[in-house]
Amino acid sequence: NAGVTQTPKFQVLKTGQSMTLQCAQDMNHNSMYWYRQDPGMGLRLIYYSASEGTTDKGEVPNGYNVSRLNKREFSLRLESAAPSQTSVYFCASRRTSGQYEQYFGPGTRLTVT
Amino acid sequence: SQQGEEDPQALSIQEGENATMNCSYKTSINNLQWYRQNSGRGLVHLILIRSNEREKHSGRLRVTLDTSKKSSSLLITASRAADTASYFCATDTYQGAQKLVFGQGTRLTINP
Repeated sequence: NAGVTQTPKFQVLKTGQSMTLQCAQDMNHNSMYWYRQDPGMGLRLIYYSASEGTTDKGEVPNGYNVSRLNKREFSLRLESAAPSQTSVYFCASRRTSGQYEQYFGPGTRLTVT
Repeated sequence: SQQGEEDPQALSIQEGENATMNCSYKTSINNLQWYRQNSGRGLVHLILIRSNEREKHSGRLRVTLDTSKKSSSLLITASRAADTASYFCATDTYQGAQKLVFGQGTRLTINP
């Protein structure tokens, strides 16, 4: 039981390049989330998917798109990377509606030059 | 917007001492959660306290919640070097979907 996995662990992009961050969970969770964490800050929600087939914007969605490929996988795409998107990105999942905790992946450290 | 404001931003204590971190928030919540983040790692859930609860314990952790003051505290008793990490509070304001709003965190250092 791997929990929440993310690939890649590290990535360096040039301004304007695109890439997709992958996230998968094997806990049969319905809800999945993408966050970014900047130095000295808490996490900010980019996008979330309450259930398979649905996605919604979070607090900081500009410059990102997401795809809930199936119940297990939730990807985050940067279409045209900007230096302001340099951050650590975390994926998380949660069982279902109700008062439950979130489970986090190990993160992807992205640098945009 | 960061709903949770944590205090202090950094805390350094000796091993064996107790560590207390505080979190204040602005809007009504369904529950408040505390997470730990070791350097360079993802967040790990520690404890969840519902809005109708006032205190909760889990091992060496004690969490209190005062909804009238919109504040919570996390107490770690008998600290260990392994407790060195950043601690975040997150408020859950469920409205159709659960979305957590995180504070900026408290960086805790336990000195041996």
